[in-house]
Amino acid sequence: QTVVTQEPSFSVSPGGTVTLTCGWNSGSVSTTEYPAWYQQTPGQPPRTLIYNTNIRSSGVPDRFSGFILGNRAALTITGAQTEDESHYYCLLYVGGGIWVFGGGTKLTVL
Amino acid sequence: EVQLLESGGGSVQPGGSLRLSCAASGFNFNTYAMTWVRQAPGKGLEWVSVINANGDSFFYAESVQGRFIISRDNYRNTLYLQLSSLRADDTAVYYCTKDWHPSGSTFGPDHWGQGTLVSVSS
Repeated sequence: QTVVTQEPSFSVSPGGTVTLTCGWNSGSVSTTEYPAWYQQTPGQPPRTLIYNTNIRSSGVPDRFSGFILGNRAALTITGAQTEDESHYYCLLYVGGGIWVFGGGTKLTVL
Repeated sequence: EVQLLESGGGSVQPGGSLRLSCAASGFNFNTYAMTWVRQAPGKGLEWVSVINANGDSFFYAESVQGRFIISRDNYRNTLYLQLSSLRADDTAVYYCTKDWHPSGSTFGPDHWGQGTLVSVSS
């Protein structure tokens, strides 16, 4: 069974930079897993931040960037703002038409 | 503007069935793959099922394989998810999503609907 892993929680100071990562138990994550990142605040549907590794969705500020960091997908927030306090989920294509979400990272900005 | 409006959620007993619908507008529905994602109360996101633009290729998470059926009507611009043999752990908000790539195959969700709640209990 494919398991996608994320840091359960992270903390960043306002104005600071934080990098969240996403891996899986089938080896290295690369662009062929089409990593995507979603932000979700309580009571709201998810919002797409990044798809296809590094493409920002429409309207997403450029302080959010996606890339491959070593053997994991990564999301960096540069100049974090208080409104960035949310849950962040990554999504990977694991083959055979199947996608798997990571367990999510709860980001605190304080 | 892309709009995805889910409906059909509600309360159902274990073993029961429901059909969810997602009315799409604001884009060429018949050129995009569509995906259902669910979220149990207080839990993370779970990918459920995807269907290609033509409706002739579809895939399911292992947790719903054999119980759920995804389909689409490209004339009505509507996506469906038939839920059968429902269990308590199927209780979740079900989101309809549109793929970002207009190739007809799936490259990952971009736009999301507001979701519809399915509650399975006796």
